[in-house]
Amino acid sequence: GAGVSQSPSNKVTEKGKDVELRCDPISGHTALYWYRQSLGQGLEFLIYFQGNSAPDKSGLPSDRFSAERTGGSVSTLTIQRTQQEDSAVYLCASSPPGGVNQPQHFGDGTRLSIL
Amino acid sequence: ILNVEQSPQSLHVQEGDSTNFTCSFPSSNFYALHWYRWETAKSPEALFVMTLNGDEKKKGRISATLNTKEGYSYLYIKGSQPEDSATYLCAFHTGTASKLTFGTGTRLQVTL
Repeated sequence: GAGVSQSPSNKVTEKGKDVELRCDPISGHTALYWYRQSLGQGLEFLIYFQGNSAPDKSGLPSDRFSAERTGGSVSTLTIQRTQQEDSAVYLCASSPPGGVNQPQHFGDGTRLSIL
Repeated sequence: ILNVEQSPQSLHVQEGDSTNFTCSFPSSNFYALHWYRWETAKSPEALFVMTLNGDEKKKGRISATLNTKEGYSYLYIKGSQPEDSATYLCAFHTGTASKLTFGTGTRLQVTL
């Protein structure tokens, strides 16, 4: 079946521009996560959506970052006024109902480069 | 701040060697421990989800154990193959509806 789909796979943009990254989770998965991996760093949690509950935004590094999940499915991560330190691979993951016992299924990521 | 520590940071073994690495996590408020394999140019792939103290899981040549009282998990690879080369990540949940906190991974390279 279809896995987690992310687009674009690569994005190069100039400092100061806004970018939107898209994640299409596996159908039926209620939980959706965004992570990023900067060069030489581990996976950094950004935001977590679970069903209709309020999202856990505790990992968003600044107010330039926001995310939404429409209709409990597709999610968009938006970065406004991009900075060079935003350059990273942004990964989305989803997991089925069942809480913490369920593994996360990752997309291939969006590699973001800020010039 | 919840710290997940993985060791070693990197490991280089020869084909056929058996190896293991460690994931350490806070032992309080434990709910689940995950292991993922992340190959270069691919997305992370789930290996195991473990929830019970003393749990042991196996998938082919790879197995994992869990000690929630002392806060560690071991991942074992028996008879390493070049295709096992990847970064192995552990992560844990502290609540029933919480995020995963990841370690920085152990990078394994298996050569012929």
